[in-house]
Amino acid sequence: DQQVKQNSPSLSVQEGRISILNCDYTNSMFDYFLWYKKYPAEGPTFLISISSIKDKNEDGRFTVFLNKSAKHLSLHIVPSQPGDSAVYFCAASGGTYKYIFGTGTRLKVLA
Amino acid sequence: NAGVTQTPKFQVLKTGQSMTLQCAQDMNHEYMSWYRQDPGMGLRLIHYSVGAGITDQGEVPNGYNVSRSTTEDFPLRLLSAAPSQTSVYFCASSRTATNTGELFFGEGSRLTVL
Repeated sequence: DQQVKQNSPSLSVQEGRISILNCDYTNSMFDYFLWYKKYPAEGPTFLISISSIKDKNEDGRFTVFLNKSAKHLSLHIVPSQPGDSAVYFCAASGGTYKYIFGTGTRLKVLA
Repeated sequence: NAGVTQTPKFQVLKTGQSMTLQCAQDMNHEYMSWYRQDPGMGLRLIHYSVGAGITDQGEVPNGYNVSRSTTEDFPLRLLSAAPSQTSVYFCASSRTATNTGELFFGEGSRLTVL
């Protein structure tokens, strides 16, 4: 049973446009959410997080939105750059000491 | 800044062999964990630890053992390797065990079981 779902395996976006990556979760105990970026042959690196007491968090070109009623979060990247091409994972925690990750979305930013 | 260090980076085993993947962090983090990454499956939690002497199971613990005798080290043991354990393994740590902080990942260990 996948508690954190990323239903889009891949996404292609033109350079300079907005990239929107989506994530859904099923466990209502989750109260902290994170986004990670992963390049090939490297470990995932932290991008941005959001607590369930907020509905939006911004850090430069990256914004995460949380809709608790829909159990949905999204990551917006504006403007997208070729260096943003990577696999993006969302993760959730809460209720236990476990961070649960989604299956990832491969983003390709076209120059 | 070493951060989270994993060794070895690559390993090939035969079915039935045993081995230990090493993980060390120099950030005095309370929380440490092991994940495996497989195509189409994302990152799946194997085991985790909230402090020295305390470990617990994650989503896919079968076939793996862990121990946490020190704050710095969290080795992952495969007692009898199987082809299904072919994967890329990541160790990750976090400053606190309250699940409100970011995880820091190592660079990964690629394991092939023949």
